Amino acid sequence: DGGITQSPKYLFRKEGQNVTLSCEQNLNHDAMYWYRQDPGQGLRLIYYSQIVNDFQKGDIAEGYSVSREKKESFPLTVTSAQKNPTAFYLCASSPRDRGRPEAFFGQGTRLTVV
Amino acid sequence: EDQVTQSPEALRLQEGESSSLNCSYTVSGLRGLFWYRQDPGKGPEFLFTLYSAGEEKEKERLKATLTKKESFLHITAPKPEDSATYLCAVQAISPKLSFGAGTTVTVRA
Repeated sequence: DGGITQSPKYLFRKEGQNVTLSCEQNLNHDAMYWYRQDPGQGLRLIYYSQIVNDFQKGDIAEGYSVSREKKESFPLTVTSAQKNPTAFYLCASSPRDRGRPEAFFGQGTRLTVV
Repeated sequence: EDQVTQSPEALRLQEGESSSLNCSYTVSGLRGLFWYRQDPGKGPEFLFTLYSAGEEKEKERLKATLTKKESFLHITAPKPEDSATYLCAVQAISPKLSFGAGTTVTVRA
């Protein structure tokens, strides 16, 4: 089955630690995205990538970093510089086809600072 | 900057009681308007894409419509399994999606 796999489902981070969230897709999509979701707020874009080895900052990139070394993978690192990292993180992908612009989402990673 | 506002924030319905959700948007050069359904603790599930004013899409008890300034998601004769948060998003020239905060629908049997 084609889809987007995020891991882990739950992640706990200690103060001052960096943690990496995994996102893998087998849909052959060119574009991939990371969103953050907080209670009562819409999804906010952290980073996106339209092609391998290229990515752009979204609206709330501070304290986060990404890489896109393979088409299928777009990992997100939450660094110690992110002051309020507790949130639900969602990865998405889309085909970049102008006739089919819709994005499809993984099941999310819930990150908690302990 | 693209803006998306959804109303109401929450909607409680009796089973069979039809209603509509609103998504108002401000965007330069709309490429597409998207509706998603999200269950608690899960990722959003894609429902519809609308491209131009006057367009309509249907799926089971859901029907989405689009005007130049807003979109409506109509829920006809809802069932408890339609309970979820419904998200609206727009895409312009940039590939990023801008989301509204969502409408949480609760359908009581």
